[in-house]
Amino acid sequence: KAGVTQTPRYLIKTRGQQVTLSCSPISGHRSVSWYQQTPGQGLQFLFEYFSETQRNKGNFPGRFSGRQFSNSRSEMNVSTLELGDSALYLCASSLGAGGTQETQYFGPGTRLLVL
Amino acid sequence: SQELEQSPQSLIVQEGKNLTINCTSSKTLYGLYWYKQKYGEGLIFLMMLQKGGEEKSHEKITAKLDEKKQQSSLHITASQPSHAGIYLCGAAFSIFGTGTRLKVLA
Repeated sequence: KAGVTQTPRYLIKTRGQQVTLSCSPISGHRSVSWYQQTPGQGLQFLFEYFSETQRNKGNFPGRFSGRQFSNSRSEMNVSTLELGDSALYLCASSLGAGGTQETQYFGPGTRLLVL
Repeated sequence: SQELEQSPQSLIVQEGKNLTINCTSSKTLYGLYWYKQKYGEGLIFLMMLQKGGEEKSHEKITAKLDEKKQQSSLHITASQPSHAGIYLCGAAFSIFGTGTRLKVLA
């Protein structure tokens, strides 16, 4: 079974631009979560989508948004990029059944550099 | 809100040595995940602990959950260079520890 894939792997943008990142979950997984990882703040939860609906949301400004398609693939969008948005963006998928027995599987990440 | 603090923040050990990484929660732990991350890459799931007193092992890595202490520990026996990386604990998918960077000297 193929793992979680993320595209692109690397991205360079300038301040003020917007960016869209893509995540394809493991086949059969219906939940996709997005995270931002930086040296200063560590790994922070952005949001989770399940069956095309945002189920949970972290504490990030509205410039960060996402969506999930009917095939469970997900996209994350960041508008009006700031230098502080430079980070490794990770997505993870799980079956989505909830509860304490769920396991998440992470993609390799997209490294975004904002100049 | 719940916070997970890991100690130590970084660790350098000689190959063959044992080591322990701790993850302490600010609130009651109902379950805990351990992950390993190579620099700049995604997280690899190591193991999940669901109840107090539970202990799991995979190869040379053992993790325990002490519910009363609101703490989990990850122990590596006879470390190898392949164990090097960042170890992260996590709870409820949205909360992660601060990470422990491990370097193993050959």
